[in-house]
Amino acid sequence: GESVGLHLPTLSVQEGDNSIINCAYSNSASDYFIWYKQESGKGPQFIIDIRSNMDKRQGQRVTVLLNKTVKHLSLQIAATQPGDSAVYFCAETSDSGAGSYQLTFGKGTKLSVIP
Amino acid sequence: NAGVTQTPKFQVLKTGQSMTLQCAQDMNHEYMSWYRQDPGMGLRLIHYSVGAGITDQGEVPNGYNVSRSTTEDFPLRLLSAAPSQTSVYFCASSPDPGTIIYEQYFGPGTRLTVT
Repeated sequence: GESVGLHLPTLSVQEGDNSIINCAYSNSASDYFIWYKQESGKGPQFIIDIRSNMDKRQGQRVTVLLNKTVKHLSLQIAATQPGDSAVYFCAETSDSGAGSYQLTFGKGTKLSVIP
Repeated sequence: NAGVTQTPKFQVLKTGQSMTLQCAQDMNHEYMSWYRQDPGMGLRLIHYSVGAGITDQGEVPNGYNVSRSTTEDFPLRLLSAAPSQTSVYFCASSPDPGTIIYEQYFGPGTRLTVT
């Protein structure tokens, strides 16, 4: 079946550097994408979302890029801090009908920030 | 507001036992869902509910039952526990899955071990 996945399972970055976490999706019907952050022992926390009619969306220190041509999603974190250390998940859904009630999650990328 | 609460935090069951994982939210959210998270994998949707009295199956519903008698509560029942159900279970809620900002609030999780 179609799924959402990640290119890199682990990523180590120096504090202060920028981080880029990638995600590939295969469901061409997906039109809404979300990034979650999960700290150890906690539930996932919403970071940022993007609709398929957008290529880029910025938040505070985070930017999500969407390339529909190659079905690729990325999360960029500027000036990475130790508090950014966590597992990051992308998730996708379809905004039409029953699909909007179900999220499909990727496997996650563990981000480790080196002080 | 307490947000999304889950009990218990940890549980050990023997194969064949039954139990109920509790989930409650005090944000008056219509949408609630249950996920399981296995090592090295993303979250997989078990069941969800779009309002009191309405439930539906997600990706991995077998072996689990849910009910939604009130807006606040969404318990997950394991009918006859199996070792394959060893996992971390997360409950989540959202005000309205049909809105553009699909922001789910996750509980802290229940770590279940079936021996």
